[in-house]
Formats: sequence, C-alpha cells, structure tokens
Amino acid sequence: AQSVAQPEDQVNVAEGNPLTVKCTYSVSGNPYLFWYVQYPNRGLQFLLKYITGDNLVKGSYGFEAEFNKSQTSFHLKKPSALVSDSALYFCAVRDMETDSWGKFQFGAGTQVVVTP
Amino acid sequence: DSGVTQTPKHLITATGQRVTLRCSPRSGDLSVYWYQQSLDQGLQFLIHYYNGEERAKGNILERFSAQQFPDLHSELNLSSLELGDSALYFCASSVGGASGANVLTFGAGSRLTVL
Repeated sequence: AQSVAQPEDQVNVAEGNPLTVKCTYSVSGNPYLFWYVQYPNRGLQFLLKYITGDNLVKGSYGFEAEFNKSQTSFHLKKPSALVSDSALYFCAVRDMETDSWGKFQFGAGTQVVVTP
Repeated sequence: DSGVTQTPKHLITATGQRVTLRCSPRSGDLSVYWYQQSLDQGLQFLIHYYNGEERAKGNILERFSAQQFPDLHSELNLSSLELGDSALYFCASSVGGASGANVLTFGAGSRLTVL
C-alpha cells in the first residue's frame, strides 16, 4: 500500500526567508510524486511532479522539490518566500507498479504562513 | 479557471436527504476523480472513472454512488445524509489512462453542509 506523510501541520516563515515543506512517502515500487497547493476556497493547483530522472524538480511560482530515494522524501522548497505563498500544501504519491488505475494518495497537508 | 466545472458551489440540506453533485471535466480529459475534504479526515479519495467505467474505489460509503456519462461528465450522489457528510467535495480530471504521470486538474469544489 502507498502512503504519504507530511510531518508538520504548519510552517511559519518570514518573507524573504527560505521555505521548506516536508514530505515522506512509502510505496512498494517506484513512486510518482506530486505537490499541489490550495488557496482559501479554491481547488488544488498542481505545482510540480517527479516521475524519473533528475532528483531536483523545478515547478511553478519558483518552487522546487528534491527527490531522495534513500530517505524516501520529496521536500518542497522555495529559496525566498512571499506573503502570497501562504496556502495549504499537499504532497501526493502514486505507486505505479502496484496501482495502475488507482488513486493518488494525498498527505494531510501543511499550512504555510508567510509573515511580512 | 482550471477548466473543471463543479456545480453547485454551495449546498445546504438536512439529514436524511439526497443530493447530487455534478462535475464536467476539462476538455479532452477522460478520467474523473472524486475527493472529499473535511477538517478531520483531510483529502480522501472516493472514486475514479475512466471513459465511463469505474476504475478504482477508495473510502466511499455505500450511501454514496457515482457515475460517468457518455459525454464524460460525472455525478456524485450522496443519500441518507448525515451531519458528518458535511465537507468540501472535489472533482478532478486528467487525460486519463493508467499512467501515473498524469496530473490532476481540480475543480473549485462543492461545499456541502448538512444540518
């Protein structure tokens, strides 16, 4: 079975400082990993994904994520946070070797609060 | 606008009632996913349809059912509603197929309040 964990309910950061949102996963086979962001009263929006290849993935709005197979992690990062980055962030995983038609497993979400 | 349309945006109803939520996927997408988002349960996968056929089922209650029609729109039916069914229900679509690389595009959601 696949699972994903976001160990922090909330991350607080000052504007201009680096932002990191943590995600760890568990799958039987190879993972496909995703990050989504949800602004208040909106649906989730895709930020980036890791399928294969380079462990550092660049996405929308200046975000990037690093895939670490040995630590089974896929942390989301942004070098310099903006107040407008304040939102709820979700990590998601799919295990394509055992779950061809299956669901994306989402983490519980991490609320990011960026203060001016 | 993501291209995924969900109606209604808000719905208030009473316990024991039945409601239908509708989703029109993004043009060209064959897959439709339904998710329930509540404060205590997070984002829970309910069901996935691809080109009219059910492909995967998650934690969907027996009181809930869904279908995808030939024009690819989907409906989620919730019956015998309970207070605990109050949540935000999201529809997401993707190009579809078994590829895990497909990105989900989410609608804005339907907020259901059961009184």
